Amino acid sequence: NAGVMQNPRHLVRRRGQEARLRCSPMKGHSHVYWYRQLPEEGLKFMVYLQKENIIDESGMPKERFSAEFPKEGPSILRIQQVVRGDSAAYFCASSPAGNQELFFGEGSRLTVL
Amino acid sequence: DQQVKQNSPSLSVQEGRISILNCDYTNSMFDYFLWYKKYPAEGPTFLISISSIKDKNEDGRFTVFLNKSAKHLSLHIVPSQPGDSAVYFCAASAREGAQKLVFGQGTRLTINP
Repeated sequence: NAGVMQNPRHLVRRRGQEARLRCSPMKGHSHVYWYRQLPEEGLKFMVYLQKENIIDESGMPKERFSAEFPKEGPSILRIQQVVRGDSAAYFCASSPAGNQELFFGEGSRLTVL
Repeated sequence: DQQVKQNSPSLSVQEGRISILNCDYTNSMFDYFLWYKKYPAEGPTFLISISSIKDKNEDGRFTVFLNKSAKHLSLHIVPSQPGDSAVYFCAASAREGAQKLVFGQGTRLTINP
């Protein structure tokens, strides 16, 4: 595992469906972050998690969005009842504890029809 | 409320010349700044950073300058190479080690042979 692994790379959903995006951090990294990039914009922070804990979710929309990082398995960003405005690239990043440098995955591109 | 701004959406530079990418910020609480480089369909990769206690940090062909009084930083790439063609994002955080980065909108750099 050379880097942060995200899947699926591309996901198409119809309005009202659910989207689940998965992220496996780099080996040895216990901190996971989710960022969203809308077209022609910069990345915007959504949520910061450690194993089994949400540390900062100040960037998460109040409804329909949730994230988890269970003791075993990848982190999951879940979007319920998707709308067209949810279409974006969702990037996961990880870091070792206390390290500023974030290592990003290649992103998951969500398209809502 | 765009706290980190990159006012030039694109920049074109001749190979071998200097590329200068600019970034302005408004939040005086920011004291740690980073530059990320992003190729199409890939995640951002860390390039260089600077703490507010410094006004310059150099790493090979890349130098970042920070002017705290003007709330301005710049990334210099010299000499520019074709492989430098990418989108460059400026990011800031309120303290070193803080994991919530605020990104600018990005500048697309094209190096012409």
